[in-house]
Amino acid sequence: QVQLVESGGGVVQPGRSLRLSCAASGFTFSNYALHWVRQAPGKGLEWVTLISYDGINKYYADSVRGRFTISRDNSKNTLYLEMNSLKPEDTAVYYCAKDALVGAAGDWFDPWGQGTLVTVSS
Amino acid sequence: DIQLTQSPSFLSASVGDRVTITCRASQGISSYLAWYQQKPGKAPKLLIYSASTLQSGVPSRFSGSGSGTEFTLTINSLQPEDLATYYCQHLNSYPLSFGGGTKVEIK
Repeated sequence: QVQLVESGGGVVQPGRSLRLSCAASGFTFSNYALHWVRQAPGKGLEWVTLISYDGINKYYADSVRGRFTISRDNSKNTLYLEMNSLKPEDTAVYYCAKDALVGAAGDWFDPWGQGTLVTVSS
Repeated sequence: DIQLTQSPSFLSASVGDRVTITCRASQGISSYLAWYQQKPGKAPKLLIYSASTLQSGVPSRFSGSGSGTEFTLTINSLQPEDLATYYCQHLNSYPLSFGGGTKVEIK
């Protein structure tokens, strides 16, 4: 079955960097756009970034543009999120999610991974 | 950027009740709207896409309607397992965004 498994979360000091990974299985990874979505403790969902199926097109939320970079390795079926200059307000559970339909991005998300917690604190 | 406003933010209802959640978009988004259910401690799960299409495997007591700027999620005959927070999401343009969520409690 389709599965997304995030890893790489942890506690990091403000200003430092962290890289998250999302390992995919159960589908043809290179055919689908992928997203990162985050959820601060006790708060709602915030879309963070998208990468197209071929890695060419990327979009970011204003809150992370210039600090976060999304990438993918289609040979390893893995999605990444490089997070630099981290701030306390970046503290959240980070989910990866798959576009529902093959090809062009902009579809609903299905499924989501279980999430990985990032805590930015000194 | 498109903002989504959900109401109410919290509701408490009894088993068997009909529950309606509203999502309003700050500008027209046609039918580019999805609804997700997030149970406590779990990842969100897709319920409805294209405003009114039920995702495979989702119970038929869930339904969605609307287009343009106003959308609704209806749960007919609320069940104990429907305890969750529900989010709408627009897919009209980037940046994507979610509504603030509606927490559903079972009386």
